[in-house]
Amino acid sequence: EAQVTQNPRYLITVTGKKLTVTCSQNMNHEYMSWYRQDPGLGLRQIYYSMNVEVTDKGDVPEGYKVSRKEKRNFPLILESPSPNQTSLYFCASRKSLIQPQHFGDGTRLSIL
Amino acid sequence: DAKTTQPPSMDCAEGRAANLPCNHSTISGNEYVYWYRQIHSQGPQYIIHGLKNNETNEMASLIITEDRKSSTLILPHATLRDTAVYYCIVRAPQGTDKLIFGTGTRLQVFP
Repeated sequence: EAQVTQNPRYLITVTGKKLTVTCSQNMNHEYMSWYRQDPGLGLRQIYYSMNVEVTDKGDVPEGYKVSRKEKRNFPLILESPSPNQTSLYFCASRKSLIQPQHFGDGTRLSIL
Repeated sequence: DAKTTQPPSMDCAEGRAANLPCNHSTISGNEYVYWYRQIHSQGPQYIIHGLKNNETNEMASLIITEDRKSSTLILPHATLRDTAVYYCIVRAPQGTDKLIFGTGTRLQVFP
């Protein structure tokens, strides 16, 4: 089944403790993105990748890192999480810039 | 990418057609219109997209005005399961993969 898989789905952690949210897609898609969603603000793009080893900042990249060492995986790294990064996170992928995005089921992060 | 404007909320009776408008008055000639929806806090789900012509699939129809400055997503027979936030996005098929979702329209389908 074609899908975008995020892990973990839920995480409660403390300020400053490094964490990684993994994202994997099995559709051989070129393009991958990370979004965060906060009440009243809709979906905001954090980072995107248009190919292996190619990543670019979205609208809210501060406090996040990403890597794209292989086509299927696009992990989101929070080196020193802070409470303002408490949010619902979505990973997405697509084959080309015309094709629509496929989204994962989301990761709910709580930073205490 | 062109900016889109959607009403924050709409209601629709079950079984009736839901018509969700989107204004994109600054759209350029090669920009596509995409619609997604998000049910509760699930991942957004793609519905339909188009460039100039009206489009229809098993989920919905997309009507784009001749000047392309606005579009309407039509759910022909809304059900309670169509209650969701609907996002209209405009973007070109080249350049970067930056996307702006906005806050969408919250559609409430009532019995």
